[in-house]
Amino acid sequence: DGGITQSPKYLFRKEGQNVTLSCEQNLNHDAMYWYRQDPGQGLRLIYYSQIVNDFQKGDIAEGYSVSREKKESFPLTVTSAQKNPTAFYLCASSPRSRNTIYFGEGSWLTVV
Amino acid sequence: AQKVTQAQTEISVVEKEDVTLDCVYETRDTTYYLFWYKQPPSGELVFLIRRNSFDEQNEISGRYSWNFQKSTSSFNFTITASQVVDSAVYFCALSPEGTSGSRLTFGEGTQLTVNP
Repeated sequence: DGGITQSPKYLFRKEGQNVTLSCEQNLNHDAMYWYRQDPGQGLRLIYYSQIVNDFQKGDIAEGYSVSREKKESFPLTVTSAQKNPTAFYLCASSPRSRNTIYFGEGSWLTVV
Repeated sequence: AQKVTQAQTEISVVEKEDVTLDCVYETRDTTYYLFWYKQPPSGELVFLIRRNSFDEQNEISGRYSWNFQKSTSSFNFTITASQVVDSAVYFCALSPEGTSGSRLTFGEGTQLTVNP
């Protein structure tokens, strides 16, 4: 089936540790995105990538890093520099020429 | 700057009632897109509709309908004869034309609960 796959669904991290969230899409979309969602709030853009080997910071990039070595993959690393990492993280993708973005199922990250 | 306001934080209805979710937006762009997404308890955001700012025709898809009024900067969403499966958080979103998700602004969402 075509779609966006995020893993893991649930992740626990100790303070001071980095953690990487995986995002893979087989929709042949050029652009990929990472959003953060906090309880009772809307989504905020962390990073996005329009093409392979290129990415830009979104509104809340501090404490996060990404890579885009392959068109279908856009992993997000939550570093120890991120002060409040506990949140729901959503990966998304879109065809370059259209405005609609499609989302994965999300990953819950909890810092313990 | 863009802004999307969903003033209704939570709505609770009984099954088969009609319900309207409000969305008001602000933008300085002359052309833009408006969206509605549904987020069920599983977490995934499901795309429902995209509307171009040039097209003010209302749209109906089954039990769902959307009323776009540029004069009042509103893009309201109505569910007719609501069902328990409609229970979810609904997000309205806005982006300038041609920018895709890099400038997509979301409202804070409306939690809809449909009780049997």
